[in-house]
Amino acid sequence: DVKVTQSSRYLVKRTGEKVFLECVQDMDHENMFWYRQDPGLGLRLIYFSYDVKMKEKGDIPEGYSVSREKKERFSLILESASTNQTSMYLCASGLGTGGRKLFFGSGTQLSVL
Amino acid sequence: AQSVAQPEDQVNVAEGNPLTVKCTYSVSGNPYLFWYVQYPNRGLQFLLKYITGDNLVKGSYGFEAEFNKSQTSFHLKKPSALVSDSALYFCAVRDAGNTPLVFGKGTRLSVIA
Repeated sequence: DVKVTQSSRYLVKRTGEKVFLECVQDMDHENMFWYRQDPGLGLRLIYFSYDVKMKEKGDIPEGYSVSREKKERFSLILESASTNQTSMYLCASGLGTGGRKLFFGSGTQLSVL
Repeated sequence: AQSVAQPEDQVNVAEGNPLTVKCTYSVSGNPYLFWYVQYPNRGLQFLLKYITGDNLVKGSYGFEAEFNKSQTSFHLKKPSALVSDSALYFCAVRDAGNTPLVFGKGTRLSVIA
């Protein structure tokens, strides 16, 4: 089975801290995505990557950056965490586009105090 | 740009009764449509997808979905609901190009014994 692993299930950080969220997939998928999930807003796309060292902005990239140095790893970085970044963060990976499905990690619930 | 609407935040159904979770979409060209389910404190799990062909798609756990091109809908259905079906359900759409999945806001399904 495909496995998408997010490094932390729960994370508590202080305002202004630099935060790294790590995601690793074990199926050689080209495509990786970071979404954030908030009640009533569903999933919103932050950043995605279709290849190593490649990144594209999603719908809400402000305050975030990403890194993809290796195919299996896609990191989300909060440069200076703020309280409005308290959310559930979901990483996903997949092969190709079109009708190919995505595989999701279990999520990281981030609280910024 | 593609979009998805899930008009109901919450659906309540009695165990053993049929259930429907609604989804409408907007996309240029032919759509690729997906349903995902999220159980508490978990990531999203793939349920089923429509790419082309038969308008009735069968998926995991006894779920099915009906694609209706004229109404731009892709409603999720199950003939007999189980308490264990209680979860958050997301509809998603992608066009035929190289674009990420766009998700709806989610519908919380509660099946009451």
